[in-house]
Amino acid sequence: SYVLTQSPSVSAAPGKAARITCGANNIGTKTVHWYQQKPGQAPVVVIYYDSDRPSGIPERFSGSNSGNTATLTISRVEAGDEADYYCHVWDSSSNHVVFGGGTKLTVL
Amino acid sequence: QVHLVESGGGLVKPGGSLTLSCAASGFTSSDHYMTWIRQAPGKGLDCLSIISRTGGAIFYADSVKGRFTISRDNSRNSLSLQMNSLRVEDTAVYYCAILTSRYGSGPYNAFDIWGQGTVVTVSS
Repeated sequence: SYVLTQSPSVSAAPGKAARITCGANNIGTKTVHWYQQKPGQAPVVVIYYDSDRPSGIPERFSGSNSGNTATLTISRVEAGDEADYYCHVWDSSSNHVVFGGGTKLTVL
Repeated sequence: QVHLVESGGGLVKPGGSLTLSCAASGFTSSDHYMTWIRQAPGKGLDCLSIISRTGGAIFYADSVKGRFTISRDNSRNSLSLQMNSLRVEDTAVYYCAILTSRYGSGPYNAFDIWGQGTVVTVSS
């Protein structure tokens, strides 16, 4: 089965950039979506189709996907960005949705 | 305003059954694939099932295949999940969500709008 690997935690100081990665074999050939989930709330999509930003999501959020790694970058991190972040792909070979295990972003 | 509201969660004994419902408003649900996703306490996201706009295509996670059944009633803008043979490990918050159709309709799309979730607890 297709596995997406995320680091359990990432930290960044306010105003600095945070990079959250999602690793998998040839993930660059797939379409990756990213979600932000704050405690007690439902997830919210922050990047879809590798690098598109839904309306209402700050320009500080960006995404890229190539080779074996997809990356969510949050530039100029703010306290309100502290949350869990999940990557998501559709594995057409198994017809299954795959989520990464999630990365907890801590703002220092 | 697009809105999804789940209901039907509760406490059930192992081996029991439960049916979850998701009421959609503010959009035409038949325009979108829909899905059920759960999150066990302190754990990550787990997509259980996806259903196409007409219900003609359905996908299940291996963990629930044969036990859970997804269905939709487009005339009522609603989505359901029939859960049988429930196990302790099915304890979770259950979310319904709609998939975007930004680049066509299909299971590869992002989960755009989520409900607030309903809690299912399986315990004796």
